[in-house]
Amino acid sequence: GQQLNQSPQSMFIQEGEDVSMNCTSSSIFNTWLWYKQDPGEGPVLLIALYKAGELTSNGRLTAQFGITRKDSFLNISASIPSDVGIYFCAGNFGNEKLTFGTGTRLTIIP
Amino acid sequence: ETGVTQSPTHLIKTRGQQVTLRCSSQSGHNTVSWYQQALGQGPQFIFQYYREEENGRGNFPPRFSGLQFPNYSSELNVNALELDDSALYLCASRPTGEAGYTFGSGTRLTVV
Repeated sequence: GQQLNQSPQSMFIQEGEDVSMNCTSSSIFNTWLWYKQDPGEGPVLLIALYKAGELTSNGRLTAQFGITRKDSFLNISASIPSDVGIYFCAGNFGNEKLTFGTGTRLTIIP
Repeated sequence: ETGVTQSPTHLIKTRGQQVTLRCSSQSGHNTVSWYQQALGQGPQFIFQYYREEENGRGNFPPRFSGLQFPNYSSELNVNALELDDSALYLCASRPTGEAGYTFGSGTRLTVV
């Protein structure tokens, strides 16, 4: 099935560093969502974006809905150990299925 | 704490068998979707139900079927299990008008 292109595939950073990841699609979406998944758990919604150009923050997380409606990025500032996990973008067109990205695995190096 | 509960958490089945996975959503979450997540991949959409009617389906064969009940619970049934059906199966629900789905913790299905 279709998956959105997420980059980077994995990141190894030190605690306190900022993180940036993005997601691109060949199709436009009306909504972009960012989820975090911990081992053995389901994805947890971090940020939802509903409008092209929208910039939304949730604590140390900031995400933007690209103006072409084909991309989105997520930034995490001042990373902490609990940020470790896999981050997925997901696009939605209308009230239908979510199309997920391939995921970005974030690891914090001691 | 997630408002979506899935059971069982783990399951081992033999190729050719049938399996039923269950999900209980939050009150008011009229839309429920099921996803299959293979190891190292993002979730793949199986199908979606709205008020007990299927209203969207992904690229999965008919042996994947579902039901949604008035009490916000739902089922995913898979017949004639194949080895490639081994995956984490996720249930997700949302209230009408919202785009953000709440996911359950999933059922890890292993087909041997």
